[in-house]
Amino acid sequence: DSGVTQTPKHLITATGQRVTLRCSPRSGDLSVYWYQQSLDQGLQFLIQYYNGEERAKGNILERFSAQQFPDLHSELNLSSLELGDSALYFCASSVGRTGVYEQYFGPGTRLTVT
Amino acid sequence: KNQVEQSPQSLIILEGKNCTLQCNYTVSPFSNLRWYKQDTGRGPVSLTIMTFSENTKSNGRYTATLDADTKQSSLHITASQLSDSASYICVVTYFRQGGSEKLVFGKGTKLTVNP
Repeated sequence: DSGVTQTPKHLITATGQRVTLRCSPRSGDLSVYWYQQSLDQGLQFLIQYYNGEERAKGNILERFSAQQFPDLHSELNLSSLELGDSALYFCASSVGRTGVYEQYFGPGTRLTVT
Repeated sequence: KNQVEQSPQSLIILEGKNCTLQCNYTVSPFSNLRWYKQDTGRGPVSLTIMTFSENTKSNGRYTATLDADTKQSSLHITASQLSDSASYICVVTYFRQGGSEKLVFGKGTKLTVNP
């Protein structure tokens, strides 16, 4: 158990809909990262927040947005969902701001868009 | 273009044998390189992280090496166990203009350890 929690575990929704994925980092960690992993694809970095502020952006679509709240939990919002958005979404947390710190991954949220 | 290539794509070995996984990258300027183990359907777990000045790091039966000159890394698994069956992912972090970092992921090597 990494100490990172993600909810929900599974999510099934229809195209065009909007969903919110939630992540609680390990106690004491200030950074939260979001990743997407499609079937048979590698992990894709989406976005990083550090202590409430966006720090780094990866391959995140404009239909997706994220935020980190004062209690450090984070939410990833996915809107106008398409079939291709079906994937595992992982969040990870680390204590520091930069990539030199170890990242601890949550169990993931499996999103299925029908 | 900043890329991370892993080989082989998949590997099958017998329990107890050793194996070596490769990671080549073109990422620059380099910050660090990590190896992760990912069981199917679960989050990756960090095995090692190496910065520019480190050329080897061990974590139990896992030993990672880094040659920053040739931009190559390897992960050596000794005396494999059935529980080593997983995907192994190489991740390279580099600095972008403005000082921010970006992570580039390899597609992973799927290792199967058979009894």
